[in-house]
Parts: sequence; C-alpha cells; structure tokens
Amino acid sequence: ILNVEQSPQSLHVQEGDSTNFTCSFPSSNFYALHWYRWETAKSPEALFVMTLNGDEKKKGRISATLNTKEGYSYLYIKGSQPEDSATYLCAFRDAGGTSYGKLTFGQGTILTVHP
Amino acid sequence: DGGITQSPKYLFRKEGQNVTLSCEQNLNHDAMYWYRQDPGQGLRLIYYSQIVNDFQKGDIAEGYSVSREKKESFPLTVTSAQKNPTAFYLCASSIDHEGAYSNQPQHFGDGTRLSIL
Repeated sequence: ILNVEQSPQSLHVQEGDSTNFTCSFPSSNFYALHWYRWETAKSPEALFVMTLNGDEKKKGRISATLNTKEGYSYLYIKGSQPEDSATYLCAFRDAGGTSYGKLTFGQGTILTVHP
Repeated sequence: DGGITQSPKYLFRKEGQNVTLSCEQNLNHDAMYWYRQDPGQGLRLIYYSQIVNDFQKGDIAEGYSVSREKKESFPLTVTSAQKNPTAFYLCASSIDHEGAYSNQPQHFGDGTRLSIL
C-alpha cells in the first residue's frame, strides 16, 4: 500500500496571510501528482495535475511545486481569503505494476481562513 | 450542465440488507471510480472501471459489488458482507484511465452518506 502523507492536518490563518502545505509521496515509480480542493457540501474540484520534476503550476493565488526525486509537493496560497477555506487533497499516481494507474490519496489538509 | 450525479444523498441500511448507490455521468468519460471516505482518512478506492463491461477491484473491494453496463452509469452495491458500511461514498470519472489522456484529473460527484439503522 502506497504511503501519501499530507501536513499539517489542519491550519487556521487570518485573511490576507499566505500559507503553504505539503504532500509527501513515494519517490520511486512516479507518474503524476494531483491536487484537489474540497469545499464543504460540494464535490472535490481539481486544481493541478503535475507530472514533471521541478514543475510549477499556478491558478490565481494558488500555486504548486513538485519534487519527484525527493517525493514531495508544496501547495501555496497567497493572500488567503475566507473562500479558500476547504480541504486540500493530494493524490499520487504511480507508474504501473499492479496499480493500473489508480490514485492514492493523502488524508487532506483542512484550511480555515478567518476574516 | 455536464457532471456527475450521485443519488441518494443520504442512505440508511438495515442489518443484512444490500443497498445500491447510483452514479451517473454525462461527461462522456470512459473511466469511473468509487471511493470511500472515513473520518481522518484519505479517499480509498473501492472499484474502478476503464470501459463498459469491465471493472477492477481497488484497495477495499470486499463487501462491495459494481456493474458497468452503460458508459454513463456505474452503480455500487454495498452488500450485507460489508460489516462496516457507514461512510461517505464518492463517485468520480475521468476522460481516460491509461491512454493518451491519462493525466487528466478526476471529476467527482457530491457523494452519498451511508449509515446503519
């Protein structure tokens, strides 16, 4: 069973703060790393799919970096807003074997942005 | 609007009863997935299907069954053999599982919360 860890488990910040959190995954057999945002009472929404070591992706105030050699990805939110409050999930896809390309999810980081 | 519809939103199961969770998508996606979420844990894969009439077990398939008779539909049955069915169930789809679009994200439904009476 693949081990995908996210830290911290939860985070409280003030509106306007910038924040970041981490996803750790196996450094071998890498295929892709997904990030999703899951707001309460809604369905998870894809943020990024990252495939290349050193990749950086950006969507508005949210950006992510990827280091496949050491097995981690960072998600950054610049100038947090209350509407950024959500659970942020990362998911690792390995390169094959018996996994058939399925995603292994971390347990998520719960972000609360206080006005 | 294109998307994934899960029903019902809440479901209650009696002891010894099988229940079926519905998942329908109109995104024309080939691949579909069922996940289970328990408190403090990540989403865990129950079953997935790459094409019609084919499906594979995920990490926690015991006590569950699926069918994929139509591209749009991937119902999940929670059987009486599943001793701890209380959880939140999410259905997802993606354009392709292993082919040319294999790095596309998954799209999720709103989920079904299953509880034991």
